[in-house]
Amino acid sequence: EPEVTQTPSHQVTQMGQEVILRCVPISNHLYFYWYRQILGQKVEFLVSFYNNEISEKSEIFDDQFSVERPDGSNFTLKIRSTKLEDSAMYFCASSRERAPNEKLFFGSGTQLSVL
Amino acid sequence: GNSVTQMEGPVTLSEEAFLTINCTYTATGYPSLFWYVQYPGEGLQLLLKATKADDKGSNKGFEATYRKETTSFHLEKGSVQVSDSAVYFCALIHQGGSEKLVFGKGTKLTVNP
Repeated sequence: EPEVTQTPSHQVTQMGQEVILRCVPISNHLYFYWYRQILGQKVEFLVSFYNNEISEKSEIFDDQFSVERPDGSNFTLKIRSTKLEDSAMYFCASSRERAPNEKLFFGSGTQLSVL
Repeated sequence: GNSVTQMEGPVTLSEEAFLTINCTYTATGYPSLFWYVQYPGEGLQLLLKATKADDKGSNKGFEATYRKETTSFHLEKGSVQVSDSAVYFCALIHQGGSEKLVFGKGTKLTVNP
């Protein structure tokens, strides 16, 4: 079965640094998402992206966050100036059609540690 | 707002034991309900879903029934296997146009031989 690929699997950064988390969605998918899970807490929605635009975002997704689909295959999440509380597992997901009607395919996540 | 509460783990069972993982939800309107599973080293995968009251989702021997009267979607399996060891997430999505999945915290299941 096709997979969503995320790189790196682990990222360690210093507070205040910029990080870019990368995702390669499934090739014929059109809808893209980022979620995160802080240790011991719920998986939380960050943002959805379609047709090169953000279609929905949560209150967590403030000006420090941005998403981009720089080419036909990658989907990235940038955190401009990381904070300690950004430490979490970040999951990318994609779907062929818009949720809720279509199943989401998730990557295995990037564990971000901010020191 | 919408939320999902699932039983705290971890849950440890012997092979062939009966599994129940409780999940209750709070939502306006009529959400769709899901169970996702994450096997070690992999991404979350959709296990089963139900889109309206009294629907039963099933897959790989797992079942869950959408109970509107108790706002619940408990996951059950009659006889677990070692290969079922994973983290299980209950989730909902509101049918009112949002694309946002609302998850519970996840329940880690370990099945011993």
